[in-house]
Amino acid sequence: QKEVEQNSGPLSVPEGAIASLNCTYSDRGSQSFFWYRQYSGKSPELIMSIYSNGDKEDGRFTAQLNKASQYVSLLIRDSQPSDSATYLCAVNSNTGGFKTIFGAGTRLFVKA
Amino acid sequence: KAGVTQTPRYLIKTRGQQVTLSCSPISGHRSVSWYQQTPGQGLQFLFEYFSETQRNKGNFPGRFSGRQFSNSRSEMNVSTLELGDSALYLCATKQVAGEETQYFGPGTRLLVL
Repeated sequence: QKEVEQNSGPLSVPEGAIASLNCTYSDRGSQSFFWYRQYSGKSPELIMSIYSNGDKEDGRFTAQLNKASQYVSLLIRDSQPSDSATYLCAVNSNTGGFKTIFGAGTRLFVKA
Repeated sequence: KAGVTQTPRYLIKTRGQQVTLSCSPISGHRSVSWYQQTPGQGLQFLFEYFSETQRNKGNFPGRFSGRQFSNSRSEMNVSTLELGDSALYLCATKQVAGEETQYFGPGTRLLVL
């Protein structure tokens, strides 16, 4: 089992729709969770971080965390073509030393 | 404030050669982490340096090494290059070790022929 798992996609949604990206993790001790966006040929950029169970909203983005289910998700409302990118889920783990573990990423296409 | 810089941006090497990549962190950032990104394996943690000391290391062979200088700049070295080392190498920096938010540089794309 991978430490952080994401559906590789691609996930295709029409412009204006809600895109839902999901991620599960294996380390129950993880406390910090992140979503990065990576455009093709570019480096990842942080778009959301979440530390507590529940929802965290920032503009069109909402991160959801459920530690009991070891599940974190990202919702993108009113999706735009400029949201087309790969979204990486990352989890901070302190098992075997502090490090950030990334999922393989989900490719999102927003069709105009 | 200037962002994270990495040099060179692109490199072509042949099998058996060695390569050194450089990362200059954002001013004030003392923690530098290195990652390898490939289409098949995704983004994988190589190692993290803080105050010139390696704090943590991922599951990579000893051919991959790094160091950090007193000005927080970091270098990573890959010796005896293999075809499978072709990847995007990213560094990410933070103000202090353990801090949550890290900022990525543009990466160095290495092609091994």
